[in-house]
Amino acid sequence: GAVVSQHPSRVICKSGTSVKIECRSLDFQATTMFWYRQFPKKSLMLMATSNEGSKATYEQGVEKDKFLINHASLTLSTLTVTSAHPEDSSFYICSAHRGTGGYEQYFGPGTRLTVT
Amino acid sequence: AQTVTQSQPEMSVQEAETVTLSCTYDTSESDYYLFWYKQPPSRQMILVIRQEAYKQQNATENRFSVNFQKAAKSFSLKISDSQLGDAAMYFCAYRRGSHINTGTASKLTFGTGTRLQVTL
Repeated sequence: GAVVSQHPSRVICKSGTSVKIECRSLDFQATTMFWYRQFPKKSLMLMATSNEGSKATYEQGVEKDKFLINHASLTLSTLTVTSAHPEDSSFYICSAHRGTGGYEQYFGPGTRLTVT
Repeated sequence: AQTVTQSQPEMSVQEAETVTLSCTYDTSESDYYLFWYKQPPSRQMILVIRQEAYKQQNATENRFSVNFQKAAKSFSLKISDSQLGDAAMYFCAYRRGSHINTGTASKLTFGTGTRLQVTL
């Protein structure tokens, strides 16, 4: 159990366009999801905490108007990169936390975004 | 703020041998959780082992065990009988021991990672 999926796994978009990444918890309800960004050979950098039914909490230095997060249901959170630029190219990973029982985060397989 | 430090950017071990990855952390809290995650080339994060700070006994999962030294704020990972499939990035992570399991109270702080190579 505790499977998290992400879609798409890879996406290429043109500079100036927006791209949406979905994160789903497949077999449990996730009141909280997290969005990370990972540069090559680097650690995971937390971008924001996504809370079901409320606004996301962004980490310092992360532009909330550029990285729009929506957590409309207990199994789905979306990250939209608006007006993407080449410097937004990165690996984006989501994780989900069960609301009750346990304290682990379950990670999605990640999405590689390339902005041309 | 909590910090997690992994001082070994890269480590190498021969197959069937034992290797220890280091992790130290800094916190003013007494209740927290510590984790080791593995990230293979597929980049899927996999939980290797976890430790509750209130437990004195070191966690063990098959070939993986930890040496948790709370006073020293050290949390090393020992991999015994190393296998080729153990080659990956390993991240140490910290989480507050809040009873609140939602929101930012449950976020993880990661170390910079250690790349483990396994040689024949």
